[in-house]
Amino acid sequence: EAEVAQSPRYKITEKSQAVAFWCDPISGHATLYWYRQILGQGPELLVQFQDESVVDDSQLPKDRFSAERLKGVDSTLKIQPAELGDSAMYLCASSLSWGQYEQYFGPGTRLTVT
Amino acid sequence: AQTVTQSQPEMSVQEAETVTLSCTYDTSESDYYLFWYKQPPSRQMILVIRQEAYKQQNATENRFSVNFQKAAKSFSLKISDSQLGDAAMYFCAYRSESGNTPLVFGKGTRLSVIA
Repeated sequence: EAEVAQSPRYKITEKSQAVAFWCDPISGHATLYWYRQILGQGPELLVQFQDESVVDDSQLPKDRFSAERLKGVDSTLKIQPAELGDSAMYLCASSLSWGQYEQYFGPGTRLTVT
Repeated sequence: AQTVTQSQPEMSVQEAETVTLSCTYDTSESDYYLFWYKQPPSRQMILVIRQEAYKQQNATENRFSVNFQKAAKSFSLKISDSQLGDAAMYFCAYRSESGNTPLVFGKGTRLSVIA
């Protein structure tokens, strides 16, 4: 069964350093989502792509976060510089398209900023 | 803006028993979708069940069923014949039917299953 892949699974970094996460969605899925899940809370959307285009990045802290999905396949989420408050689980999900299609989640990257 | 509230941070159930997880939501829309997601420890989140707001019939998936009360804006999940593998975080989520809108999640309920 096809799955959403994410790497790394765990990342420890010092504050002010740069960090990047990678996501490979299920083949053929046009929509890709990045969520942040702080411990004890539900996921919150950071950015949504439709193919290679950003359709919603209203909750993305653009002064330090960036996301890209070149060629409309895999995606990278970057934080520079990392802050202590960025410690969280970063989840990637994909769906066939936007709308009522089910979102499939990856295992996530747990980031710890020291 | 829509909000989703899960008032039970933790729940426990004996194996083979039934448990109900609560969820309420706030919206001014009439057309939307509701979901329950399961997030096992160190594993990815998976969809358990979904409900379209226009459907009066409650959704059912094997041992999982919902009690959808649209007027009360309530969407509870019932797990029957609980199994050890049901232990996980459960998230209630809302999505508008209109446009390209994201999922809005509650804070989750941690379910423990006691053997």
